[in-house]
Amino acid sequence: DAGVTQSPTHLIKTRGQQVTLRCSPKSGHDTVSWYQQALGQGPQFIFQYYEEEERQRGNFPDRFSGHQFPNYSSELNVNALLLGDSALYLCASSLVGPGEAFFGQGTRLTVV
Amino acid sequence: GESVGLHLPTLSVQEGDNSIINCAYSNSASDYFIWYKQESGKGPQFIIDIRSNMDKRQGQRVTVLLNKTVKHLSLQIAATQPGDSAVYFCAETAGANSKLTFGKGITLSVRP
Repeated sequence: DAGVTQSPTHLIKTRGQQVTLRCSPKSGHDTVSWYQQALGQGPQFIFQYYEEEERQRGNFPDRFSGHQFPNYSSELNVNALLLGDSALYLCASSLVGPGEAFFGQGTRLTVV
Repeated sequence: GESVGLHLPTLSVQEGDNSIINCAYSNSASDYFIWYKQESGKGPQFIIDIRSNMDKRQGQRVTVLLNKTVKHLSLQIAATQPGDSAVYFCAETAGANSKLTFGKGITLSVRP
């Protein structure tokens, strides 16, 4: 059983560009959350998707958007990239209701 | 506001000794707490969790203690091994499927 998979693993973008990151949740999971982890910091919640809708959102600007597909996979889109968007982007999946969230290995985004 | 913090940025222990990692949280509404381990280049890995109606939970070589009176969480690792070297995060959440709020993390270094 594959866990949470994210693609790509590494990405380099230029300031002002747009980027799309992808996540496939653990089999059987229906909820996907995205986190941004700056170097040396703990992950910061971006948003969560359930039933193809954004259910919760953290303190991130509208440049950060997402989508969840019928198969529960998800995308994170960031527009007008800033140097400060450089970070490890983590996807976590869970099953609705109380329980642990499983994280993917992350996508390392570098904005130059 | 919500915050999860760790008292020490690094912890160095001798192989075979017990490790104790502490965490303070400030959101009294949090009802679920998790410890994650993150190795270099990987996403956070679930270690152990505890709900607010408990004050202690044991796993294999790990124990989590929760003191709601002083809003304190700790992770105890018995017979620490080199493979335990990683960054450890405590995280809290309020309500099922709510966002996880992470602290900054503490690095555990195991001396041979």
